[in-house]
Amino acid sequence: SQELEQSPQSLIVQEGKNLTINCTSSKTLYGLYWYKQKYGEGLIFLMMLQKGGEEKSHEKITAKLDEKKQQSSLHITASQPSHAGIYLCGADAGNNRKLIWGLGTSLAVNP
Amino acid sequence: NAGVMQNPRHLVRRRGQEARLRCSPMKGHSHVYWYRQLPEEGLKFMVYLQKENIIDESGMPKERFSAEFPKEGPSILRIQQVVRGDSAAYFCASSPPGGYGYTFGSGTRLTVV
Repeated sequence: SQELEQSPQSLIVQEGKNLTINCTSSKTLYGLYWYKQKYGEGLIFLMMLQKGGEEKSHEKITAKLDEKKQQSSLHITASQPSHAGIYLCGADAGNNRKLIWGLGTSLAVNP
Repeated sequence: NAGVMQNPRHLVRRRGQEARLRCSPMKGHSHVYWYRQLPEEGLKFMVYLQKENIIDESGMPKERFSAEFPKEGPSILRIQQVVRGDSAAYFCASSPPGGYGYTFGSGTRLTVV
């Protein structure tokens, strides 16, 4: 079984709509990372969360980490076609710099 | 300020050949990580290196795979006698000493024919 569960697996939204992607672990996480990947390309860093209850925003993307540090959400407000891609959550579950990963959420935004 | 540089971007090898994947970390970064991305399986940690030291190789297959990060030059992931199952995207990431924040390269897509 995957150590980090991401949901949904895929998402198609209309441009302008809001959406949320979730990332859940059964373990306490020492660092939670969100990346975006376009097909055939590398991973683009979005945000890192470390403290329970932490929330960060950049442009129209907001990421939160719950108090227990076992669940994170990524929220996109007023989605645009440029937001399309695969969103990956990665986490340090043992404070040892060895990241575990979810399988990704594939997002399509229809104009 | 170049990011993490990986080359080649695409590599095709016949079964039984050797594959060498290179990764130059970001300037100022002394920690290098290799991950493998297989279809339907997501990213998997392979190895964590610092200059001239392998810190954690718990994700490396026991045979045919090796990694190094010499004092000078890029980190190298070496796969000997490649098999079809080695076909995947291999990503390198780097981080600064004592800190977190992983910057990833664009990956090397290995195809074994």
